[in-house]
Amino acid sequence: AQSVTQPDIHITVSEGASLELRCNYSYGATPYLFWYVQSPGQGLQLLLKYFSGDTLVQGIKGFEAEFKRSQSSFNLRKPSVHWSDAAEYFCAVSGAGSYQLTFGKGTKLSVIP
Amino acid sequence: NAGVTQTPKFRVLKTGQSMTLLCAQDMNHEYMYWYRQDPGMGLRLIHYSVGEGTTAKGEVPDGYNVSRLKKQNFLLGLESAAPSQTSVYFCASIKGDSQMNTEAFFGQGTRLTVV
Repeated sequence: AQSVTQPDIHITVSEGASLELRCNYSYGATPYLFWYVQSPGQGLQLLLKYFSGDTLVQGIKGFEAEFKRSQSSFNLRKPSVHWSDAAEYFCAVSGAGSYQLTFGKGTKLSVIP
Repeated sequence: NAGVTQTPKFRVLKTGQSMTLLCAQDMNHEYMYWYRQDPGMGLRLIHYSVGEGTTAKGEVPDGYNVSRLKKQNFLLGLESAAPSQTSVYFCASIKGDSQMNTEAFFGQGTRLTVV
């Protein structure tokens, strides 16, 4: 069975500081990996995705993520956080076939001005 | 192009009442999904469909039924609502015809309260 672990429930960073959100996955075949962001009361917006090729993927809003197969990880990074990045972030995994997404429990990001 | 539209956006039900949530997508996507989101639990898959006329159970299917009579619509039914079904429900769709088209597009959610 596929699963996703986001070890950090809540992270607080200062505006302008760098950010790394951790994600570990379990999947029996080649995974498709995603990061989504959810602002309060809103739906989910895709930040970036990985399905093959270059293991460093660039997304929207200045985010990037690196796929490390040996560590079963897909960590999200941003060099300089803005106050508007405060939200909840979800890592998800799927694969070929039904493409059903399995989500982690999310990491809530707070940004201190 | 509206994307994925969920109706209603909010609903309060009494225990034992029934209701249907509608998800409509106008992107000709093959795959559709219903998730529920609860605090600290992330999103959990209720049911999904890999094409018109097909449905399958997800991680938490009990108490829910679904139908996909038309490709663009995916209905989620609660036959006898329980307080444990108080949640935010999200519908999503995926085109799924290639690796490039595996992104899920989400609706804005339905906030359901069962009292």
